[in-house]
Amino acid sequence: EVQLLESGGGLVQPGGSLRLSCAASGFIFSSYAMSWVRQAPGKGLEWVSGISGSGGGTYYADSVKGRFTISRDNSKNTLYLQMNSLRAEDTAVYYCATWEYSSSWYFGYWGQGTLVTVSS
Amino acid sequence: QSVLTQPPSVSAAPGQKVTISCSGSSSNIGNNYVYWYQQLPGTAPKLLIYDNNKRPSGIPDRFSGSRSGTSATLGITGLQTGDEADYYCGTWDSSLSAVVFGGGTKLTVL
Repeated sequence: EVQLLESGGGLVQPGGSLRLSCAASGFIFSSYAMSWVRQAPGKGLEWVSGISGSGGGTYYADSVKGRFTISRDNSKNTLYLQMNSLRAEDTAVYYCATWEYSSSWYFGYWGQGTLVTVSS
Repeated sequence: QSVLTQPPSVSAAPGQKVTISCSGSSSNIGNNYVYWYQQLPGTAPKLLIYDNNKRPSGIPDRFSGSRSGTSATLGITGLQTGDEADYYCGTWDSSLSAVVFGGGTKLTVL
């Protein structure tokens, strides 16, 4: 059974930093690209960032480019999101998800999410 | 403002059928496959439809998807109270080089 467990969320001041983690199990982690998708309170879904299975390719939404860094440790089956220069508008539940390609890119499996609140 | 446009809400009675539309452009739906996600209250999203009209294992055939031009539609037949959820369409946008979503549609089963 595929399991994705996010951690690292919490309250942070504007301009601060936070690192999210996503522990994966139940599948061959290194064979899958992974992504972070966020959802602001009461709002819709927003793709944040993605990374290839090897970690050699990384992709970002314009809204976080230059502030967030995605990475992975395939030896630990763990995905990360380093978030710097955080803003109030980054407040959201952050989900990690498998990022799969059939005829186009989609999110096959999702974690339960971790809440990030940016506020003074 | 989402790149893809969905109605904010739809409703229908138990046992009835409902459709949810998703409108885009040539840079997204017009040239890429569409995916639908179901988010039950208080839970994470779940893949419902992939490649425009295919259902992952475990998704009942009451759920269907279609794409025509720059629009896509999710159909749900035999509505159940357990189908009450937010539904999101998503696809790749070739101009933005990003995954884009619709704003979501809240389904109420009256």
